Amino acid sequence: GNSVTQMEGPVTLSEEAFLTINCTYTATGYPSLFWYVQYPGEGLQLLLKATKADDKGSNKGFEATYRKETTSFHLEKGSVQVSDSAVYFCGGIGEMEFQGAQKLVFGQGTRLTINP
Amino acid sequence: EPEVTQTPSHQVTQMGQEVILRCVPISNHLYFYWYRQILGQKVEFLVSFYNNEISEKSEIFDDQFSVERPDGSNFTLKIRSTKLEDSAMYFCASRPMNRATNEKLFFGSGTQLSVL
Repeated sequence: GNSVTQMEGPVTLSEEAFLTINCTYTATGYPSLFWYVQYPGEGLQLLLKATKADDKGSNKGFEATYRKETTSFHLEKGSVQVSDSAVYFCGGIGEMEFQGAQKLVFGQGTRLTINP
Repeated sequence: EPEVTQTPSHQVTQMGQEVILRCVPISNHLYFYWYRQILGQKVEFLVSFYNNEISEKSEIFDDQFSVERPDGSNFTLKIRSTKLEDSAMYFCASRPMNRATNEKLFFGSGTQLSVL
């Protein structure tokens, strides 16, 4: 079945540092890929997505590019802020699953802490 | 933006007791899900629900679990006889039928279940 593996945390950075959180996926076909963010005490929110190879998702200064050749969807931000402190989850939905109640498969989550 | 609402935010129960976790999905959504997140671990799929029946369930979703949409607005998860290992954050999610946005799941803020 489909699976998503992401960089283990926790990750601690200083404000304005460059961020990369790695995510790779294993799937049949070409899944749609997502990054969700979970702020302290809150649920999961969609941060960005990409639905096909070479797509770049972006939001709030975060970016991730769907790399088919490396089966990766790494999350990056050029200059992080304290407010970016959260847990980040990479997720994927299989290509053939849009016909029904598709199942989003998550990575294990990466806790990010940004210090002032 | 419309929200998925979950109640209660925190539920404490004794081992062996039944619990019902409640969710109100977004009103025009047609697909419903339960996920759970054991502390420090990944978000795991439990079950998906469409057209008043289960579409898919994981191996976690055994005979102790059941889901119901009793009145067209609520979507409940019942655990008949809770175990210590059921302690987790439980997330409800829903998705619309519109194919243009069908890959986005809307998550509630979760119910933290503590089994003592």
